[in-house]
Amino acid sequence: DAGVTQSPTHLIKTRGQQVTLRCSPKSGHDTVSWYQQALGQGPQFIFQYYEEEERQRGNFPDRFSGHQFPNYSSELNVNALLLGDSALYLCASSWAETNTEAFFGQGTRLTVV
Amino acid sequence: GESVGLHLPTLSVQEGDNSIINCAYSNSASDYFIWYKQESGKGPQFIIDIRSNMDKRQGQRVTVLLNKTVKHLSLQIAATQPGDSAVYFCAENKENTGFQKLVFGTGTRLLVSP
Repeated sequence: DAGVTQSPTHLIKTRGQQVTLRCSPKSGHDTVSWYQQALGQGPQFIFQYYEEEERQRGNFPDRFSGHQFPNYSSELNVNALLLGDSALYLCASSWAETNTEAFFGQGTRLTVV
Repeated sequence: GESVGLHLPTLSVQEGDNSIINCAYSNSASDYFIWYKQESGKGPQFIIDIRSNMDKRQGQRVTVLLNKTVKHLSLQIAATQPGDSAVYFCAENKENTGFQKLVFGTGTRLLVSP
């Protein structure tokens, strides 16, 4: 049983560019959440997708957007990258029926130069 | 506002000792708590969870205690091993909102010496 998988594992982008990160949830899970983890900090909630819609959003600007596909996989898009967007981006999947036991992927390390 | 904090940033123990990692939370409405372990370069790994209608839950070598009166959560690791060295996060959530938005603290680094 594959767990949560994210791609790519590492990425380097230039300020002002756009980036797309991808996530496949754990088998049987229908909900995907995205978190940003700065170095030395705990993860910060960006948003959550369920039934292909964003249903909850954290304190992040509109430059951060996402999408969920019919197979429950998800993408995180960040436009107009800033140096401060450099972080580990984590995807977590869960089952909406219980909203418990969120499982995380290994993350995508984004570096903005 | 909501926050989850940890008392100690680093905890150093000897192999074989028991470890206790503490966490304080401020949102009394939170009803679900999770402990995660994060090794360097990896995503958080689910360890154990507890709902607010419980005071204690045990897993394999781990025990989570919840004290709702003082809004305190702890993770006990028995017979700590070098492989337990990692950063540990507690996270909280309100289950009845219909969605999951975990609030994490900054983490405690556990260092296990052989």
